[in-house]
Amino acid sequence: AQSVSQHNHHVILSEAASLELGCNYSYGGTVNLFWYVQYPGQHLQLLLKYFSGDPLVKGIKGFEAEFIKSKFSFNLRKPSVQWSDTAEYFCAVNANTGFQKLVFGTGTRLLVSP
Amino acid sequence: DTEVTQTPKHLVMGMTNKKSLKCEQHMGHRAMYWYKQKAKKPPELMFVYSYEKLSINESVPSRFSPECPNSSLLNLHLHALQPEDSALYLCASSQRGGGTSQETQYFGPGTRLLVL
Repeated sequence: AQSVSQHNHHVILSEAASLELGCNYSYGGTVNLFWYVQYPGQHLQLLLKYFSGDPLVKGIKGFEAEFIKSKFSFNLRKPSVQWSDTAEYFCAVNANTGFQKLVFGTGTRLLVSP
Repeated sequence: DTEVTQTPKHLVMGMTNKKSLKCEQHMGHRAMYWYKQKAKKPPELMFVYSYEKLSINESVPSRFSPECPNSSLLNLHLHALQPEDSALYLCASSQRGGGTSQETQYFGPGTRLLVL
């Protein structure tokens, strides 16, 4: 069964610091990869996604992620975080073998201090 | 418009009650999903409907009964729930839900359920 690992469970940064959140998955075949964000009291929103093509994908709010197939990784980055980026971030993978079954990582809680 | 709506926002029910959660989307999507999210945990898939047919049941107890009356609506009927079923129930939709298509799931705000 596929699994998704997010090694950073809690991250605390000051505004303007750079962010990188790790995501690794266990499936060896073709995958669709996603980062979702859940702001306090709000629903899951799509930040960005990778299906194929350029492994460096750009999303909303200045976020980007890089798919490295050899490392089974899809790390999320932002060069300069803002207080409003305080949220929980989930990496999710769909193994693309049948029905659209998303498997989520355990999430990373990001706190950005002003 | 990528909106998925869910009602009610909050629900408190006793273990002998019967209640239903409702989800609606008007994006023309033909796949709809129910997820369960416990506090400080990631969402976990419960059910997948594709073209109004149940495609995936992730071994969910029978006290949860999904229903897809049409392509825009998804219900989750609840009966004889346990306190451990208290969670945020999320609905999502995507274009078709099957095969190897490159699809994005869009989530609703969820129903926060408390079982007493």
